[in-house]
Amino acid sequence: QQQVRQSPQSLTVWEGETAILNCSYEDSTFNYFPWYQQFPGEGPALLISISSVSDKKEDGRFTIFFNKREKKLSLHITDSQPGDSATYFCAASVNTGNYKYVFGAGTRLKVIA
Amino acid sequence: SVLLYQKPNRDICQSGTSLKIQCVADSQVVSMFWYQQFQEQSLMLMATANEGSEATYESGFTKDKFPISRPNLTFSTLTVNNARPGDSSIYFCSSSGTGGNYEQYFGPGTRLTVL
Repeated sequence: QQQVRQSPQSLTVWEGETAILNCSYEDSTFNYFPWYQQFPGEGPALLISISSVSDKKEDGRFTIFFNKREKKLSLHITDSQPGDSATYFCAASVNTGNYKYVFGAGTRLKVIA
Repeated sequence: SVLLYQKPNRDICQSGTSLKIQCVADSQVVSMFWYQQFQEQSLMLMATANEGSEATYESGFTKDKFPISRPNLTFSTLTVNNARPGDSSIYFCSSSGTGGNYEQYFGPGTRLTVL
């Protein structure tokens, strides 16, 4: 059972456009949602995160929109740059102190100059 | 944030052999984890490394196959026993942060190829 789903599997945008990456989950007890950026040959790097008490989290060009009722969230990357080309993973966890994450399958983003 | 270092960064071994992966954090952390990632796929949590006690394994992973040690708050090792070609993947260690939040930080990974 895949608890965290991501779409699309891959996405190509032009430089300067907004990339929208989607994530949904099944377990209503999940209340913390980090997004990770992974470049080939590297470990995942924490990009931005949101807790379920918020519906929006912004950090520079990266914004998470969260819809608790629909169990959906999305990552918006505005003014996309070629350097943003990477795989983005949505994860979910329950803030009970055990820090266990469930990861989605990832979205591979390519930004064309 | 927490910086994690892994050694080796890659290894090639023969089927049936064992290898050990080390992970060191630059500060004391409450939790450390091990993940497996097959080529261009998602990250799968293998186990939680508990300081001074046995690791807690997720479904599909066993201590006989993947023994994990965590002797202190900055160090953990993952061993792959009786390695098989199906174990060829990237292994990441991760840790909780130090600020009481729920962030996790990942090491650079160890790419294992089993021939």
